[in-house]
Amino acid sequence: ETGVTQSPTHLIKTRGQQVTLRCSSQSGHNTVSWYQQALGQGPQFIFQYYREEENGRGNFPPRFSGLQFPNYSSELNVNALELDDSALYLCATGDRVFPGNTIYFGEGSWLTVV
Amino acid sequence: AQKITQTQPGMFVQEKEAVTLDCTYDTSDPSYGLFWYKQPSSGEMIFLIYQGSYDQQNATEGRYSLNFQKARKSANLVISASQLGDSAMYFCAMREGTTGANSKLTFGKGITLSVRP
Repeated sequence: ETGVTQSPTHLIKTRGQQVTLRCSSQSGHNTVSWYQQALGQGPQFIFQYYREEENGRGNFPPRFSGLQFPNYSSELNVNALELDDSALYLCATGDRVFPGNTIYFGEGSWLTVV
Repeated sequence: AQKITQTQPGMFVQEKEAVTLDCTYDTSDPSYGLFWYKQPSSGEMIFLIYQGSYDQQNATEGRYSLNFQKARKSANLVISASQLGDSAMYFCAMREGTTGANSKLTFGKGITLSVRP
C-alpha cells in the first residue's frame, strides 16, 4: 500500500479532446511527479511539482500541464490529444524532507486516444 | 545527462533459483540514488530496493539484493529463490541527489522476467 491513488484507471478519448488525470497522496508527500509510459517502454518524466509550483519538466510540449493543490492532490491535463498520447500515466510522490527511497507510485491511468 | 541502460533480452529462471538483472548507469553527479521497480501487467510500479551513491553496503530487502559496483557504474538486482509471482517487468531507475527533494527518475527500458514452474 503506497498511499498514492490515481483516477480514472482507464479512459478512452478522441483525438483533439482534452483529458484530466488525478492523483492523491498521503499527507507529508509534498512533491509529485508525473510520468508517461508508452507500451513496451520505460516511464518518461513529464514534470514535477513542489508546493504547488512546477519544479522541473521533461521533454513534453506545453499542452501537457499540471496542478498541485494544498491537500497534496495533483492533476495532469493534456490538451489537443494526439494518438501518440495513448499510454499509461503514472503519478509518483515523495517527501522533500526525508532521504532515500521515498518515491511511491500510484497504479496508473491507462489512456487510449482514438 | 543521466542514463540508465538495461540491455538484457527477456530473462527466464526456474522457480526457486536465483536470477540477476543487469543495470548500468551514467551520471556526472556524485550524489544519486538507484532504484529498482517491479511492474506487473496491471501497470502498478512497485518499489523493490534503493541504493544511495554514498551507501557503504549493498542494499538488501528480503529476497532482493542490489549488487552495487560504483566504479563500474552498475547496479544489478539479484532475486533469490524466485517465485512464480516474480514474473513481471523490472525497471532500474536513477535520481539526482539522495534526498526526497527530487522525485524525478530516469528509467531504463526494462527487463521482462519469466519464472518457470
